[in-house]
Amino acid sequence: AQSVTQLGSHVSVSEGALVLLRCNYSSSVPPYLFWYVQYPNQGLQLLLKYTSAATLVKGINGFEAEFKKSETSFHLTKPSAHMSDAAEYFCAVSPGAGRRALTFGSGTRLQVQP
Amino acid sequence: EAGVAQSPRYKIIEKRQSVAFWCNPISGHATLYWYQQILGQGPKLLIQFQNNGVVDDSQLPKDRFSAERLKGVDSTLKIQPAKLEDSAVYLCASSLEAGASYNEQFFGPGTRLTVL
Repeated sequence: AQSVTQLGSHVSVSEGALVLLRCNYSSSVPPYLFWYVQYPNQGLQLLLKYTSAATLVKGINGFEAEFKKSETSFHLTKPSAHMSDAAEYFCAVSPGAGRRALTFGSGTRLQVQP
Repeated sequence: EAGVAQSPRYKIIEKRQSVAFWCNPISGHATLYWYQQILGQGPKLLIQFQNNGVVDDSQLPKDRFSAERLKGVDSTLKIQPAKLEDSAVYLCASSLEAGASYNEQFFGPGTRLTVL
């Protein structure tokens, strides 16, 4: 079974500051890990994914995440926050080959202050 | 490339009424998913189809929820009768499912259901 824990339901940063959204996972098999972003009244958009290749994954809009097996973590970072980054962010895990459905965390709402 | 289409976008019903949601996946995508997203929570899988067969419906409340994917293309999710706790956004997603590598899931805009 897989599960995801996102630490912090709300994160507030100033524009230009570092963004760090935390995600820890639990998986009985080597996982595939994802970060999705959801803007108000919209569906989810894939930011980036880890599928057992490079442990540092770069995504869209300047985001990146590092897979750390020893810490069972997949934290999302961005060096400099922009107002347009304000949204809900979801970390998700999949067992990989075979069943592909995603198990999502509860989400982190990112606020960016001017 | 057209995205995943869902309708209606919003629906308000009274408890014990029935409701249906429709999803049209991206052309050529073999796998279709329905997720339920309750306010303040992450999406939760309800059912997964591979072509027109069910892969996983273990979290679908089968006493009131049903889903079908006739001809392996579009899909309908039905709730009958609805309960207050069914108020949520219902998200449809699709993926290619070609080969052994992971294929990205593309999400529709969702249907926001309010049960009064």
